Amino acid sequence: GQNIDQPTEMTATEGAIVQINCTYQTSGFNGLFWYQQHAGEAPTFLSYNVLDGLEEKGRFSSFLSRSKGYSYLLLKELQMKDSASYLCAVRDGGRGSTLGRLYFGRGTQLTVWP
Amino acid sequence: DSGVTQTPKHLITATGQRVTLRCSPRSGDLSVYWYQQSLDQGLQFLIHYYNGEERAKGNILERFSAQQFPDLHSELNLSSLELGDSALYFCASSIPLAGRETQYFGPGTRLLVL
Repeated sequence: GQNIDQPTEMTATEGAIVQINCTYQTSGFNGLFWYQQHAGEAPTFLSYNVLDGLEEKGRFSSFLSRSKGYSYLLLKELQMKDSASYLCAVRDGGRGSTLGRLYFGRGTQLTVWP
Repeated sequence: DSGVTQTPKHLITATGQRVTLRCSPRSGDLSVYWYQQSLDQGLQFLIHYYNGEERAKGNILERFSAQQFPDLHSELNLSSLELGDSALYFCASSIPLAGRETQYFGPGTRLLVL
């Protein structure tokens, strides 16, 4: 089975840096994804890690440690529009590993205050 | 805009009824995934189709069924609806890219069962 944990809520102020952690226990692993979801809207892809280390993409970075079953999403220079739910998702290795399903955490609701 | 389309955007129906949700994947994407998102459950994987064939089933009820047509669009059929089926239903599409397959989500169908 799959178990993915992330904090339920976080708050931060504009211009600050916030780190959202995700820990996972999976029977198979073929990559970890972060998605952003505004209320009532579709999840939008932010980042993907399959190897250990840091992936940087503008204001957002994502880190993975496979041996620790741990990832974080780092958001810099926070803006009000970053207020959203951030979903950590693990792709199962599965049969035909490039076609694995995603297991999602419950999401971390980030509120950015002015 | 992810390039994935879903219709209808909203659906209100009564218990016991049957509805069909439609998804058109991004151009060139062969995989379609269906997810259910309710307030108390988060994003739950339902089913995955690849190039017309069912590839994986998740937490999909027997009252629910899906198919992917030759033109790659997909339909999710929900029957004998219950109040608890009220949720956001998302489809996502993807194409395998040397292990970096990323799922892109449609805008969702909000189903309300009264």
